[in-house]
Amino acid sequence: AQSVAQPEDQVNVAEGNPLTVKCTYSVSGNPYLFWYVQYPNRGLQFLLKYITGDNLVKGSYGFEAEFNKSQTSFHLKKPSALVSDSALYFCAVRFRGGSYIPTFGRGTSLIVHP
Amino acid sequence: DGGITQSPKYLFRKEGQNVTLSCEQNLNHDAMYWYRQDPGQGLRLIYYSQIVNDFQKGDIAEGYSVSREKKESFPLTVTSAQKNPTAFYLCASSIIGPGETQYFGPGTRLLVL
Repeated sequence: AQSVAQPEDQVNVAEGNPLTVKCTYSVSGNPYLFWYVQYPNRGLQFLLKYITGDNLVKGSYGFEAEFNKSQTSFHLKKPSALVSDSALYFCAVRFRGGSYIPTFGRGTSLIVHP
Repeated sequence: DGGITQSPKYLFRKEGQNVTLSCEQNLNHDAMYWYRQDPGQGLRLIYYSQIVNDFQKGDIAEGYSVSREKKESFPLTVTSAQKNPTAFYLCASSIIGPGETQYFGPGTRLLVL
């Protein structure tokens, strides 16, 4: 079985400040982890993924995420937030040896204030 | 939105009516998916397919039907049996494999008149 949790429905941050969007997961094997972003009335866009190797993954638009196996987390981060980063962010998980169908979190709304 | 098109952008359904949402991809992906998105509920899988003429139910397949007659096309029909169809519908495709990225279409918003 696999599940993913995004514990915050909304994250508020001031422009220029660092941002973190949290994701924790539960899988019965080693995970594949993904972050997607959705702007209003649009489809999801891929940001980054962890497959194997370096625990720090860099992605699009200056975002990065750190895979932490002991804490079963994959938090999304950016050193300096932009107003244009305001969107809905989804974490997703699959596990090795399992179905190729991912499980998505419920999403976190990021609001960056000018 | 990476090679996947969905139409129409908005769709209105009357009581008792079946409506069909179109999804086409030119990425040569074997796997295609339909998701339903409601506020605060994330994405819920309706149906998925990994090969032509074969598809599997997802978590919320009741009231929906699909077909996969061509590799590039995966239309979704919302039947009259779906009593609460108002939602944002997303189609996606991917190469088959757990480490593969999904590519999403722009979505169709279905509203009930």
